Amino acid sequence: DQQVKQNSPSLSVQEGRISILNCDYTNSMFDYFLWYKKYPAEGPTFLISISSIKDKNEDGRFTVFLNKSAKHLSLHIVPSQPGDSAVYFCAASLNTGKLIFGQGTTLQVKP
Amino acid sequence: NAGVTQTPKFQVLKTGQSMTLQCAQDMNHNSMYWYRQDPGMGLRLIYYSASEGTTDKGEVPNGYNVSRLNKREFSLRLESAAPSQTSVYFCASSGPPGQGFRGEQYFGPGTRLTVT
Repeated sequence: DQQVKQNSPSLSVQEGRISILNCDYTNSMFDYFLWYKKYPAEGPTFLISISSIKDKNEDGRFTVFLNKSAKHLSLHIVPSQPGDSAVYFCAASLNTGKLIFGQGTTLQVKP
Repeated sequence: NAGVTQTPKFQVLKTGQSMTLQCAQDMNHNSMYWYRQDPGMGLRLIYYSASEGTTDKGEVPNGYNVSRLNKREFSLRLESAAPSQTSVYFCASSGPPGQGFRGEQYFGPGTRLTVT
């Protein structure tokens, strides 16, 4: 039973346009939702998170939106840059500190 | 400040061999984690340690053991490796919930393990 799902394995966008990555979850007890970025042969790096009591968090070009009624979150990258090409994982945190990850979405930003 | 370090970076084992993956963090974090990453599966938690002296099973613990040697170090042992354990293994750590905590964990660079 996958509690966190990323249904799009890949996404391709043009440089300068918006990238929107999506994630769905099933457990209402999650207290934080996070996005990680991963380059090949490196460990995931934390990008941005949102508390379950908020609906939006912004950090520079990255904005995460949380829709609790739909159990859906999304990451918006504006404007997209070629260096943003990576695998993006969404994750959800239980109050124990454990993270549950989605399957990942590979983003390609074309120059 | 190296963050989270893992050794080795690469390893090839034959079925039935044993090995220990090492992990250390220098951020004074209480909690440490071991994950495996397989294609199309995301990262799955193998074991975690909420504090020194405690360990607990995650989603996929079978075939693995762990030791929280001290606050800095958390090792993962494969007693009798199987081809199904071919994967990339990541160690992570996190600080305690509190002011400024955003739920994040910090990851090492990974160990790529192949079992033939």
